[in-house]
Amino acid sequence: AQTVTQSQPEMSVQEAETVTLSCTYDTSESDYYLFWYKQPPSRQMILVIRQEAYKQQNATENRFSVNFQKAAKSFSLKISDSQLGDAAMYFCAYTLTQGGSEKLVFGKGTKLTVNP
Amino acid sequence: EADIYQTPRYLVIGTGKKITLECSQTMGHDKMYWYQQDPGMELHLIHYSYGVNSTEKGDLSSESTVSRIRTEHFPLTLESARPSHTSQYLCASSEFRGGLNEQFFGPGTRLTVL
Repeated sequence: AQTVTQSQPEMSVQEAETVTLSCTYDTSESDYYLFWYKQPPSRQMILVIRQEAYKQQNATENRFSVNFQKAAKSFSLKISDSQLGDAAMYFCAYTLTQGGSEKLVFGKGTKLTVNP
Repeated sequence: EADIYQTPRYLVIGTGKKITLECSQTMGHDKMYWYQQDPGMELHLIHYSYGVNSTEKGDLSSESTVSRIRTEHFPLTLESARPSHTSQYLCASSEFRGGLNEQFFGPGTRLTVL
């Protein structure tokens, strides 16, 4: 089965500190894309960062970076210098290509609280 | 934020009513999707479309139906709403960028069926 596991239902971090959200996945494909999406309360889900599985270099977007371990099928998100606006649900996902169609498979999410 | 809109944002309705959740995007994307998301849970794909007059069912079985008569519009219909349909419904569209289809999400419709 193609699955995404986020083992931390909730996390909290102090403002300006660093937090890491974990994600593991299970896929039989060799080429795929991984994503972290952010869903603030009552607001649209937006893409935070993405990683191509064929690239060994970890993706970075400003304060957001990932630790991609392909062999371990692990894809954690690190948020540095946390800000109040980072509080949201974070979903890990990967693309599944099946029968010519491309779909996203999501984890159950991690609720991040940022304490002032 | 992406130019993808959903109406209504919130809907409370009685059992047996027919409802249509609207989704439109102004980005000219060919691919559009509907996801169902229960509180605190992951998103499940229920429908997708790769263009006008193209619709497919997703991984999660749903009693809803969709249509794609225009590129920018992808409405979802429930002929007879039931309490089990209570959920949040997210619409998304995607464009091919950097070797993959990057999905952009709407704000969602939170549906409550009494």
